[in-house]
Amino acid sequence: RKEVEQDPGPFNVPEGATVAFNCTYSNSASQSFFWYRQDCRKEPKLLMSVYSSGNEDGRFTAQLNRASQYISLLIRDSKLSDSATYLCVVLRSGSARQLTFGSGTQLTVLP
Amino acid sequence: NAGVTQTPKFQVLKTGQSMTLQCAQDMNHNSMYWYRQDPGMGLRLIYYSASEGTTDKGEVPNGYNVSRLNKREFSLRLESAAPSQTSVYFCASRLLAGGDTDTQYFGPGTRLTVL
Repeated sequence: RKEVEQDPGPFNVPEGATVAFNCTYSNSASQSFFWYRQDCRKEPKLLMSVYSSGNEDGRFTAQLNRASQYISLLIRDSKLSDSATYLCVVLRSGSARQLTFGSGTQLTVLP
Repeated sequence: NAGVTQTPKFQVLKTGQSMTLQCAQDMNHNSMYWYRQDPGMGLRLIYYSASEGTTDKGEVPNGYNVSRLNKREFSLRLESAAPSQTSVYFCASRLLAGGDTDTQYFGPGTRLTVL
């Protein structure tokens, strides 16, 4: 079983739609959680950190459920520019403190 | 600030050839990482350097070696390239001064094809 699992999609949604992505992680000792965005043939970039109480950044809302080991990302009022692959990322505990990446969920926002 | 830079951007090798991928960061970060990204597999860690002078294996280290030349530079070497090493390689860096939410910054990637 992969340490971080995501639905690969693709998700094709019309402009203005609300779309949600889910992610599960298997290591209960994981400490920190993030969503990264990766545009086609580009490097990943941090979209937002995910906090236990849930957090919002404009049209983006991230939620964490530690009991279920589940992370979500909600995008409201989708824009064409939101088209990208969204990577769920988990920080391993311990001295290594490495990031573990999901394989990503592809989103296309259609005009 | 240039952030994280990588050279070359593209490379084609024949099986058995060797090459070194270069990476440098100008953000005074402590930790540096090499990943490979293959379709459907996500980013997989090859090697990392938690701080200057240290290197450790990641998830997929076989066939690779690394050198943390100084705080800025972290190179990845393929001694004898194989077609299975065809991939996109990303270098990344992170401050890692104790903050779990330190942002990890990536370079633009090197697209490597081994024939």
